[in-house]
Amino acid sequence: DVKVTQSSRYLVKRTGEKVFLECVQDMDHENMFWYRQDPGLGLRLIYFSYDVKMKEKGDIPEGYSVSREKKERFSLILESASTNQTSMYLCASSSGQGFGTIYFGEGSWLTVV
Amino acid sequence: GDSVTQMEGPVTLSEEAFLTINCTYTATGYPSLFWYVQYPGEGLQLLLKATKADDKGSNKGFEATYRKETTSFHLEKGSVQVSDSAVYFCALSARSNYKLTFGKGTLLTVNP
Repeated sequence: DVKVTQSSRYLVKRTGEKVFLECVQDMDHENMFWYRQDPGLGLRLIYFSYDVKMKEKGDIPEGYSVSREKKERFSLILESASTNQTSMYLCASSSGQGFGTIYFGEGSWLTVV
Repeated sequence: GDSVTQMEGPVTLSEEAFLTINCTYTATGYPSLFWYVQYPGEGLQLLLKATKADDKGSNKGFEATYRKETTSFHLEKGSVQVSDSAVYFCALSARSNYKLTFGKGTLLTVNP
């Protein structure tokens, strides 16, 4: 089975802190994604990467950056956390273009106080 | 741009009732279509998918048919169970890029 592992399920951070959310996949997938999930808004794409060291902005990249130094690992970085970034963050990966199935991790609940 | 519109919830049904969750989409070309399910406290799991017009995806008693003429991919199940209580997301993946575009999700609650 495909495994997408997010390093932390629950985090509480203070406003202004730098926050790292880590994601690892074990299926040699080319594509990796970070989504944010909020009630009433569904899932919104923050960033995605289709290759090592490559990244593309999604629909809501402001306040976030990403890093992909190795194929299996994709990190989401909040440079200076703010309360409006309190949310559920979902990492995902897929192989191939467009029509490949996307597999999700279990999510990281981030609370910024 | 690409978009997915799905039936707003919440939907509350009794066990063994028939379920329909409507989903329509806007996309250029011929996207692949998906239904994902999220059980309480968990991430998203692929429920079913269809990659071309008239394809029917099915899994765990759920079905959805890719209707190009109506740009729809409605989710159906003949007899729901309490364990089907979850949030259901319709999504599309355009062949021109690598992304999934999601609907806002529909919360289903099934009562015994």
